Amino acid sequence: KQEVTQIPAALSVPEGENLVLNCSFTDSAIYNLQWFRQDPGKGLTSLLLIQSSQREQTSGRLNASLDKSSGRSTLYIAASQPGDSATYLCAVRVGDYKLSFGAGTTVTVRA
Amino acid sequence: DAGITQSPRHKVTETGTPVTLRCHQTENHRYMYWYRQDPGHGLRLIHYSYGVKDTDKGEVSDGYSVSRSKTEDFLLTLESATSSQTSVYFCAISVEEAGEQYFGPGTRLTVT
Repeated sequence: KQEVTQIPAALSVPEGENLVLNCSFTDSAIYNLQWFRQDPGKGLTSLLLIQSSQREQTSGRLNASLDKSSGRSTLYIAASQPGDSATYLCAVRVGDYKLSFGAGTTVTVRA
Repeated sequence: DAGITQSPRHKVTETGTPVTLRCHQTENHRYMYWYRQDPGHGLRLIHYSYGVKDTDKGEVSDGYSVSRSKTEDFLLTLESATSSQTSVYFCAISVEEAGEQYFGPGTRLTVT
């Protein structure tokens, strides 16, 4: 069974600092990996999808890397802002319809 | 905005009562999913659908059933609600089988 771990569970940084969020998974035979953002009491917003053949994916201030062989993905958020405060979830797909989710990292950006 | 709505958004019900949650999409995507989110367990897949009348079980399907009679609607039914089914339920869709998933706003269900 695929296990997805996100460490740390919570992170607090001052505004302007770069954020580094980690995701590790136990089965390297993934199809793709997706990063989400969740605001309190809200649904999940898709941030980035990385296919297994890709090493990274970028969208604006966000950059996600993928190292399948070591079972790791990292989400970088440049020049953090208070509006980036949220919980960030990663999820991996192993060749079928199903996503396996990590527990998330809750980020607080202090103004 | 993936055009996903869920109804109701909040519901309180009593143990033993049947409950149906509705997920509606405006884009006619083929793949639809129901998840539940609980503290300490994260998001877990309940059921999914890969077309009208085509559904299958996820990892936590006991006590739940689903139906999909139209492309745009995916219903989740708790036949006899229990307190352990108190949770936030999310619907999701994807265009492709293993494509990017988009989530609805969620339904908070409390079973007393």
